[in-house]
Amino acid sequence: AQSVTQLGSHVSVSEGALVLLRCNYSSSVPPYLFWYVQYPNQGLQLLLKYTSAATLVKGINGFEAEFKKSETSFHLTKPSAHMSDAAEYFCAVSSGGSYIPTFGRGTSLIVHP
Amino acid sequence: SQTIHQWPATLVQPVGSPLSLECTVEGTSNPNLYWYRQAAGRGLQLLFYSVGIGQISSEVPQNLSASRPQDRQFILSSKKLLLSDSGFYLCAWSGLVDEQFFGPGTRLTVL
Repeated sequence: AQSVTQLGSHVSVSEGALVLLRCNYSSSVPPYLFWYVQYPNQGLQLLLKYTSAATLVKGINGFEAEFKKSETSFHLTKPSAHMSDAAEYFCAVSSGGSYIPTFGRGTSLIVHP
Repeated sequence: SQTIHQWPATLVQPVGSPLSLECTVEGTSNPNLYWYRQAAGRGLQLLFYSVGIGQISSEVPQNLSASRPQDRQFILSSKKLLLSDSGFYLCAWSGLVDEQFFGPGTRLTVL
C-alpha cells in the first residue's frame, strides 16, 4: 500500500522568499516519487522525480527536492519565489510495480509581491 | 516527441444529456491511459485506467464509463449527466512505473 500526505493546503510566501512544500509518503517498497505543478485551467506538468538515483533531485524552474528515507519525506524547495510560481503543487508516489500512482491532495502556493 | 490531446476544451451540458470526451496520444505505443477528475478546489480523483485496448479498470463506481477502442485513444462517456459530474477532466498517459503526462483538460459544467 502507498499513500501521500501534503502538509498545508495553502502556503503563502513573499516574492524572493524560500519556498518549502512538504510531502510525506508511505510505501512498503522503495518508491518512485514525483512533484507536479498545475497552473489554473491546465493539466499537470512534471517538476521533478526521484527514481532511486541521487537523493537530491533538481527539477525545472529552479525547484529541487530531497528524498529522505529515514523521514519518509520528499519536500519541495526553491530558494527564491517568483510571482510565476503561484500554482497548485502535487506530490505523488508510485511503488511496487504499480502503474497507479497515489497523489496528495495538493498545496496551493500563493506568492505575494 | 509524445503529445496528448483532449477535446473539447470546455463543455456546458444540461443534466440528463450524454457525454463523450476524447483523449488521444501521439508518439508512443501501448501507453497506460488514465482519466482523472478534479472538482472545484479538490485534488485528483482517478476514474478509470487502461493498460491495453479494451482493458478498462474503474476506480469509482458512478454513471461514467470509459472505452479504449484503439491503442492511443481513450474515451470517457456518460449516458445521463448529473450535476455532480461537473469538474475538470484530465487524461494522462504513462510508460511502466514512470511519471504521467497530462493533457490540457476539459472543463465540464453541468447545468
